[in-house]
Amino acid sequence: DSGVTQTPKHLITATGQRVTLRCSPRSGDLSVYWYQQSLDQGLQFLIQYYNGEERAKGNILERFSAQQFPDLHSELNLSSLELGDSALYFCASTGGLYGYTFGSGTRLTVV
Amino acid sequence: GQQLNQSPQSMFIQEGEDVSMNCTSSSIFNTWLWYKQDPGEGPVLLIALYKAGELTSNGRLTAQFGITRKDSFLNISASIPSDVGIYFCAGQLQGGSEKLVFGKGTKLTVNP
Repeated sequence: DSGVTQTPKHLITATGQRVTLRCSPRSGDLSVYWYQQSLDQGLQFLIQYYNGEERAKGNILERFSAQQFPDLHSELNLSSLELGDSALYFCASTGGLYGYTFGSGTRLTVV
Repeated sequence: GQQLNQSPQSMFIQEGEDVSMNCTSSSIFNTWLWYKQDPGEGPVLLIALYKAGELTSNGRLTAQFGITRKDSFLNISASIPSDVGIYFCAGQLQGGSEKLVFGKGTKLTVNP
């Protein structure tokens, strides 16, 4: 157990729908990052939050949004889903040293 | 944006062989990290490098931070079946909570 918890582990939904992925960072970590991993692709950075505020944005689609709550958990909202959004979505957290700690991911399948 | 070129894309080796993979960038990074991802799991940090020229070991793994700060390599000695997985390099422009840029990974298969 890495200490970063992601739910749900698997999600199957239809095109056009909206889903919410949840992440609880490791205890004490203020930074949360979201990454997307598609087949044959590496880890693509989506967005970073630090202590409740957006810190950095990557190649995140306008249909996607995220937030970090006062208790530091984060949610990634994906709307108007398309087949191409099917991927593994990872959350990671850091306290500032020694790289990130990743969760086990949420596998999203859009049908 | 920054991109990391990781090679090779995949490797098929016999148990006991040594393995080498590397990562290059057109940008200078201040931190290089190597992660391993097992099927169905998130990446796990193997080695972190913070200084140009640094050579660090973690058991059978050795990684180096290139002098130019634009490259890094990872060696695995005497491979075993549980080394199977995808290895990712990652670079960080600044330290601390700066986002990581990842390579596309090297998929390692070890034949017993």
